[in-house]
Amino acid sequence: QVQLQESGPGLVKPSETLSLTCAVSGYSISSGYYWGWIRQPPGKGLEWVGTMSHSGSTYYNPSLKSRVTMSVDTSKNQFSLKLSSVTAADTAVYYCARHAELDYWGQGTLVTVSS
Amino acid sequence: QAGLTQPPSVSKDLRQTATLTCTGNSNNVGNQGAAWLQQHQGHPPKLLSYRNNNRPSGISERFSASRSGNTASLTITGLQFEDEADYYCSAWDSSLSARVFGGGTKLTVL
Repeated sequence: QVQLQESGPGLVKPSETLSLTCAVSGYSISSGYYWGWIRQPPGKGLEWVGTMSHSGSTYYNPSLKSRVTMSVDTSKNQFSLKLSSVTAADTAVYYCARHAELDYWGQGTLVTVSS
Repeated sequence: QAGLTQPPSVSKDLRQTATLTCTGNSNNVGNQGAAWLQQHQGHPPKLLSYRNNNRPSGISERFSASRSGNTASLTITGLQFEDEADYYCSAWDSSLSARVFGGGTKLTVL
């Protein structure tokens, strides 16, 4: 069974960089598929953040592209998200998921941007 | 970023049938079809169907998806109280090279 687990700080100060990691178990990232991040502001809908292939090709939400960096560490079977210059608008539950079918999701982690 | 269009809310009686819609364009829904996700409050989304009517293992046959042109639909038969949730559609947009989501439909079972 494929499982994903997000980890990272739950509180980030404005203008700083949000960093999250998604650990994958039950499947080797290097074997294929796409992996990525989706976020959900409190009380709102789902927003795609970005997707990356196991080989490192990346696709980012155009509205976030200038601030987003995704990377993969196949040796640890995990992938990461960095979102720079955060504001309160970036406060959300961040989910990692296996793309392209969105068939496996992490439980999500709430990241609050506040001083 | 252009998104997909879903009605904000749908209400149906217990044991009735609900059909949720999701409208996109020829670059997303009309191209590769849509995925449907169910989300209960406080939980991560759960995949119900991908690329129109492929159900993951363990998903009830009460959930079926289809597509006509640029509109995808999710039909839920024999509604149960447990089906009360938010439903999202999503598709890959080949023109934007981006994943797009609908705003979600809140399904209420009366």
